[in-house]
Amino acid sequence: GQNIDQPTEMTATEGAIVQINCTYQTSGFNGLFWYQQHAGEAPTFLSYNVLDGLEEKGRFSSFLSRSKGYSYLLLKELQMKDSASYLCAVPGGATNKLIFGTGTLLAVQP
Amino acid sequence: DAGVTQSPTHLIKTRGQQVTLRCSPKSGHDTVSWYQQALGQGPQFIFQYYEEEERQRGNFPDRFSGHQFPNYSSELNVNALLLGDSALYLCASSFQGAGYNEQFFGPGTRLTVL
Repeated sequence: GQNIDQPTEMTATEGAIVQINCTYQTSGFNGLFWYQQHAGEAPTFLSYNVLDGLEEKGRFSSFLSRSKGYSYLLLKELQMKDSASYLCAVPGGATNKLIFGTGTLLAVQP
Repeated sequence: DAGVTQSPTHLIKTRGQQVTLRCSPKSGHDTVSWYQQALGQGPQFIFQYYEEEERQRGNFPDRFSGHQFPNYSSELNVNALLLGDSALYLCASSFQGAGYNEQFFGPGTRLTVL
């Protein structure tokens, strides 16, 4: 089966850097997604990693280590609007349904 | 290009009632997945529809059923509502032929069961 763990909450300061970790266990690996979800809104796609290493996209970067079952999302130059829940997800099963972690609620403080 | 749309936005029902939620996928997408998201939790997979058939189902009782129409839109039906069914219901669409099957989410329907 699949299992995903990520911290429940994190707090960071505006302008700083924050790293949100995710560990996963899957019976087969077809990549890892990060989504951002503001309160009461739909999840929006941030990144997809299928190979080991760091993928950079503006202020956001995502890292994957398949051998360790580990990923992180790195947010630089934090802004107040980055306050949201960050969801780690892996595809599972033949249909690639997404298995989500509980999400990490990030609070950015002035 | 319209993204994924869902209706209604909010819904209030009482225990024992039945509800139907609707979803129109992003243009060009042929696969619709439904998720339930309780407060403070990640989305939980309910089921997925492709070619008007249910392809995979999560750990949800038979009270949850669905349908996909020839235009790829979909409905989620929940019978005999329970208080625990109160949640945000998300629809996600994707294209079966895409390389990694990125799913695009709709704004969700907030269901409250009293």
